[in-house]
Amino acid sequence: AQTVTQSQPEMSVQEAETVTLSCTYDTSENNYYLFWYKQPPSRQMILVIRQEAYKQQNATENRFSVNFQKAAKSFSLKISDSQLGDTAMYFCALNAGNNRKLIWGLGTSLGVNP
Amino acid sequence: EAQVTQNPRYLITVTGKKLTVTCSQNMNHEYMSWYRQDPGLGLRQIYYSMNVEVTDKGDVPEGYKVSRKEKRNFPLILESPSPNQTSLYFCASSPTTSGVYKNIQYFGAGTRLSVL
Repeated sequence: AQTVTQSQPEMSVQEAETVTLSCTYDTSENNYYLFWYKQPPSRQMILVIRQEAYKQQNATENRFSVNFQKAAKSFSLKISDSQLGDTAMYFCALNAGNNRKLIWGLGTSLGVNP
Repeated sequence: EAQVTQNPRYLITVTGKKLTVTCSQNMNHEYMSWYRQDPGLGLRQIYYSMNVEVTDKGDVPEGYKVSRKEKRNFPLILESPSPNQTSLYFCASSPTTSGVYKNIQYFGAGTRLSVL
C-alpha cells in the first residue's frame, strides 16, 4: 500500500525566517511524483512544488525548495524568508501508478508570525 | 485564464434530494478526478476519468456517480445525499501526455456541501 505521513500537525515560524516541513512516504513503484500543495484559509488547493522520482536534483521554486532523499523515502519542504501569506495548511502528496490518484498526508498547519 | 471551475461553491441540501456538482476545465486535460476532504481523514479520491467515456472508482465511490461525455466536463452526482456526504469536494484535472506539466493536478476552488 502507498502511504504518505506528515508527522508535524502544526508549526510556526517568524516572518523572514526559514522553516522545514517533513514528509515521508512509501511506495513500491519505481516511477512516481511527489508534490507539496498549499491550502490557505480560502480552501483553494495550490501547487507549491513537484519532484519527479527519477531526478536526483532537488526541485526549487523561488523561496520553496525540497530535500528529496529517495533511499530514505523522505520529501521535506523548506520555505525561506517566510511571509505572512505563507500561512496555510501544507499537504504532501504522492502520485504513483497508472490511475494518477494522489495519496495525501494529513497536512501541516503552518502559521507565520509577524 | 487556465482554470478548473466548480459550481456551486456552497450548497446546503436535505437528505435524499438529488444534486449535481459541476466541474469544467479549459486546459484540454485528459484526466479528471473528484476528491473529498474531511477532517482527520485528509483527501480521498471518489472517482476519476482517464478520458472521455472512461471513468473508474476511486477509494470512496459509494453514493456517488460521475459521467464524462465531453472532455471539459466531469460532473459529480449525488442521487440520494446523506449526512455522511457532508464534506468539502474538489475537482482536479491533469494532462496525461508528455511535457513539463505532466502529472500535475490542478484543482478547482472546492464545493462545501452540507446535507441535513
